[in-house]
Amino acid sequence: KQEVTQIPAALSVPEGENLVLNCSFTDSAIYNLQWFRQDPGKGLTSLLLIQSSQREQTSGRLNASLDKSSGRSTLYIAASQPGDSATYLCAALSYNTDKLIFGTGTRLQVFP
Amino acid sequence: ETGVTQSPTHLIKTRGQQVTLRCSSQSGHNTVSWYQQALGQGPQFIFQYYREEENGRGNFPPRFSGLQFPNYSSELNVNALELDDSALYLCASSLGAGPEPEAFFGQGTRLTVV
Repeated sequence: KQEVTQIPAALSVPEGENLVLNCSFTDSAIYNLQWFRQDPGKGLTSLLLIQSSQREQTSGRLNASLDKSSGRSTLYIAASQPGDSATYLCAALSYNTDKLIFGTGTRLQVFP
Repeated sequence: ETGVTQSPTHLIKTRGQQVTLRCSSQSGHNTVSWYQQALGQGPQFIFQYYREEENGRGNFPPRFSGLQFPNYSSELNVNALELDDSALYLCASSLGAGPEPEAFFGQGTRLTVV
């Protein structure tokens, strides 16, 4: 059974810092891994999707990497801004279920 | 904006009542998945509909049921509401079932059961 874990659960950093959010999954048989952003009480906004055959994806100040063999993905945010404050969720699309399995998220606060 | 719309945005119900939540999928998408997100948790998969047929179900009791219409919009019905059903309910649409590259989520319906 696929389990997805995110560390840390919460993070508070000053503006301008580069930071790394971690996601681990127990079953490496995945089609892809997706990172989402969620603002309080809102839905999910897709940030980056990495196919199982890929190692990383980049969008602006965001870079996500995937290491299937170790069951890990990281989301790197460069030069963080207060507008980046949100909860970041990762989700793995598993072979066994064909359904997204989510982590519990990392709640990020970037203060000026 | 993802093009996935959910209604209503907020809802308050009494324990034991029934509720229907609605989702309009993104244009051209034929697959809708429903998720329940309790406070402080990640979304949990409820079920998926592909071309009007249920295509997989998570660990939720039968009082959670769904429907997909010919235009691919979808409903989530919950009977005999319990306090623990209070959560954000998210709908996601995609093109095709199975390992479809990307799911697009709506803004969710916040259900409070009192």
